[in-house]
Amino acid sequence: ETGVTQTPRHLVMGMTNKKSLKCEQHLGHNAMYWYKQSAKKPLELMFVYNFKEQTENNSVPSRFSPECPNSSHLFLHLHTLQPEDSALYLCASSQGSGGNQETQYFGPGTRLLVL
Amino acid sequence: GQQLNQSPQSMFIQEGEDVSMNCTSSSIFNTWLWYKQEPGEGPVLLIALYKAGELTSNGRLTAQFGITRKDSFLNISASIPSDVGIYFCAGHAGNNRKLIWGLGTSLAVNP
Repeated sequence: ETGVTQTPRHLVMGMTNKKSLKCEQHLGHNAMYWYKQSAKKPLELMFVYNFKEQTENNSVPSRFSPECPNSSHLFLHLHTLQPEDSALYLCASSQGSGGNQETQYFGPGTRLLVL
Repeated sequence: GQQLNQSPQSMFIQEGEDVSMNCTSSSIFNTWLWYKQEPGEGPVLLIALYKAGELTSNGRLTAQFGITRKDSFLNISASIPSDVGIYFCAGHAGNNRKLIWGLGTSLAVNP
């Protein structure tokens, strides 16, 4: 039980669809992250939020739009995606206060397939 | 982007054998983290290391933060079939929240 949940677990969408991924953390953390995991590549950090404010956008295309309404919830809105966006999208959270407290805890991920 | 050098890339061992894997970096790290990921799941934190030279155990797992702060190893003793998965090292190279990741070591255990 990681304390970080993600829905849906699997998603198939066409390139013209609009969908959203949801992440919720039950750990009382203040920082939340979106990562993309593709085969044979290291985890790619996409976005970081700390106390609901976006602190990092790792040159992510605008077809990915994050939203963080509060410290417990994080969304990733998807529109006009490309087949190469197919991957496992992971959400993580951390304490958010810096130093040793930045150990990140991950959700189970959403397996996305773009057709 | 920056990544860690993690080796070996994959291992196929017999149940009961000990396993050792390591990560190296060209720059100094302030934390080293070891995660395990099973198919269809996200990475699960196994061990976190915060000080150079620190040696920490979690059951059959032992990890160390290298004294040069540029490497870390993870050992698994007396492997069992449920140890199967991909093991990732990750670390912080500064005070920001960005984790640098290795490519993973894929472990298969033959019962």
